[in-house]
Amino acid sequence: NAGVTQTPKFQVLKTGQSMTLQCAQDMNHNSMYWYRQDPGMGLRLIYYSASEGTTDKGEVPNGYNVSRLNKREFSLRLESAAPSQTSVYFCASHRGGYGYTFGSGTRLTVV
Amino acid sequence: KNEVEQSPQNLTAQEGEFITINCSYSVGISALHWLQQHPGGGIVSLFMLSSGKKKHGRLIATINIQEKHSSLHITASHPRDSAVYICAVPNTGNQFYFGTGTSLTVIP
Repeated sequence: NAGVTQTPKFQVLKTGQSMTLQCAQDMNHNSMYWYRQDPGMGLRLIYYSASEGTTDKGEVPNGYNVSRLNKREFSLRLESAAPSQTSVYFCASHRGGYGYTFGSGTRLTVV
Repeated sequence: KNEVEQSPQNLTAQEGEFITINCSYSVGISALHWLQQHPGGGIVSLFMLSSGKKKHGRLIATINIQEKHSSLHITASHPRDSAVYICAVPNTGNQFYFGTGTSLTVIP
């Protein structure tokens, strides 16, 4: 099925642990995004990649790194998790003139 | 300053009612997106529109580019329409501005 595949769906980390959230799309979209969603805050952009080989910071990049491995894959890494990074993370992709497609989300809890 | 403003923030309706959610934006845009998020669920793109009106089932989206305003209408609302509806507009940097969403609850 065409779409955005995001893993894992749930994760609990201890403060200071690291992890990578994986995202892959099979729609040949150029642009990919990582968002976090917190209660009352709406979607906030962490990083985005306008095309393969490029990445740019969004609104809330601190504490995160990303890799656009190829056109399909865009991963988000937390090097040293903090409780403030407890959130729901969404990966999305987009092609100009077409709608957004979102992954199903990752619910991350940092204790 | 919010580039995208939605109203109302919360909305409760009886099943069968006609529902309108509004979105106003302050930036020039090429297209506007309406998204739907069910409780605990993922986010689905409902519409992308740059002019006029689009219809999908009981959902209708309209946009007035001159007035920088869009509306999402739901006819004959149903409890399964209960969700958060989010308006999004692109900026010049290949990013998007998002509204904070309208939380809709449809009561049987």
